[in-house]
Amino acid sequence: DAKTTQPTSMDCAEGRAANLPCNHSTISGNEYVYWYRQIHSQGPQYIIHGLKNNETNEMASLIITEDRKSSTLILPHATLRDTAVYYCIVRVRGKLIFGQGTELSVKP
Amino acid sequence: GAVVSQHPSRVICKSGTSVKIECRSLDFQATTMFWYRQFPKKSLMLMATSNEGSKATYEQGVEKDKFLINHASLTLSTLTVTSAHPEDSSFYICSARDWGWNTEAFFGQGTRLTVV
Repeated sequence: DAKTTQPTSMDCAEGRAANLPCNHSTISGNEYVYWYRQIHSQGPQYIIHGLKNNETNEMASLIITEDRKSSTLILPHATLRDTAVYYCIVRVRGKLIFGQGTELSVKP
Repeated sequence: GAVVSQHPSRVICKSGTSVKIECRSLDFQATTMFWYRQFPKKSLMLMATSNEGSKATYEQGVEKDKFLINHASLTLSTLTVTSAHPEDSSFYICSARDWGWNTEAFFGQGTRLTVV
C-alpha cells in the first residue's frame, strides 16, 4: 500500500503558484519523498525528490516539514500544460508504489 | 532527465496470442526495471521488479506464467503477455533506474494493449 495521502483534486489559475500537499506520517528516517506527474495516456514524468531539506529544480520546489510527516510540491507559475495527476511517493523496499494522486486542473 | 523508451506504443492482438513489450534505457544502465499496468482512471499498479541477470520478483496476485519478464541486459527488459485475453487489455508502463538507493526512476511512454 502507498504510504502517502493526497487530496483527490485541486484547481489552480494559470500563472499562479500551485501548491500540492502530501501527508506521509509513517515515513522512515532514510526514506525519500518523490514526486511524479502523469499527463493523460503518457508515462509518469519525474519532477523532484528530497529527504529532509527543501529542494528546487527547473520544474518545481519541494518543501518538507521539519518532522518529515508532510511535504508540499510547488509549481511557481502554473501553465495549462501542468494539468496532470501528481503523485507523491515514498519508496517502499526500493519500489515506487503509487497512490491515487492529486488531479490538478490549471484553468485560464 | 534520463530517457526510457518503450515499444510498441500501441498494439492490438487476437485472443490467445502472445505479445512482447520492450523497455530500453537509452542513456544509462538500468540495474533495476519495474513493470506497471494501469486501468482507465486508475493509478499505476506495480506488477513486478526485475534486476539485470536475475529472475523477476512479482507482486502478490500477478501471475508470473502469464506475464513473462526478461531483463537480460542493463539496457533492456521485456514483458511478454502470454495467451492474451480481453481482460489483459490495459496500459502497460515500464520504469528503470540506475544503481543507488535513492536514485530516481524514469518511465517509458507506455504501451496500450488491446486484446480482441
